[in-house]
Amino acid sequence: GQSLEQPSEVTAVEGAIVQINCTYQTSGFYGLSWYQQHDGGAPTFLSYNALDGLEETGRFSSFLSRSDSYGYLLLQELQMKDSASYFCAVRPRPGSYQLTFGKGTKLSVIP
Amino acid sequence: NAGVTQTPKFRVLKTGQSMTLLCAQDMNHEYMYWYRQDPGMGLRLIHYSVGEGTTAKGEVPDGYNVSRLKKQNFLLGLESAAPSQTSVYFCASSRGTGKFQETQYFGPGTRLLVL
Repeated sequence: GQSLEQPSEVTAVEGAIVQINCTYQTSGFYGLSWYQQHDGGAPTFLSYNALDGLEETGRFSSFLSRSDSYGYLLLQELQMKDSASYFCAVRPRPGSYQLTFGKGTKLSVIP
Repeated sequence: NAGVTQTPKFRVLKTGQSMTLLCAQDMNHEYMYWYRQDPGMGLRLIHYSVGEGTTAKGEVPDGYNVSRLKKQNFLLGLESAAPSQTSVYFCASSRGTGKFQETQYFGPGTRLLVL
């Protein structure tokens, strides 16, 4: 089976840095993705890690350690518009594009 | 490009009624997916399709059927709606190019309430 764990809620101050962790237990692993979803909106792709290390995309970075079955999303210079839910997702099988999603972390950015 | 669109945006059903949710994409994507999202449960895959004429079961397929008669459309059917099917339904699509990374593009969602 597949299991992804991430904190349910995180609160951070505008302008600060926040890290959202994701640990996974899956029967296979072929990459960790991150999606953002604003209230009432659709999930949108943020980042993807197939190999260990850090991937940077503007203010957002994502890290993966396959040996630890662990990854995180790092958001820098937080803005109010970053208030949203963030989901990690794993592709557990090769040749398949199915994703197994975590339950999501609700990030609240406060002034 | 409209991307991924879903019809309807919102629907109320009575228990036992049937309905079909329509998903359309104009990105020529091979793969399409139907998810449901419930509070605190994240996104769960219902059914998916790897190409026109093909469908497969996901994590929570019971009570749903799907069809992919045309590459751009993916239909989700509820034959006899139950209150447990009250949820937000998202359709998504992806290229299916064989590359390691595969981004999924989501539609705006359909809110379904079953009374």
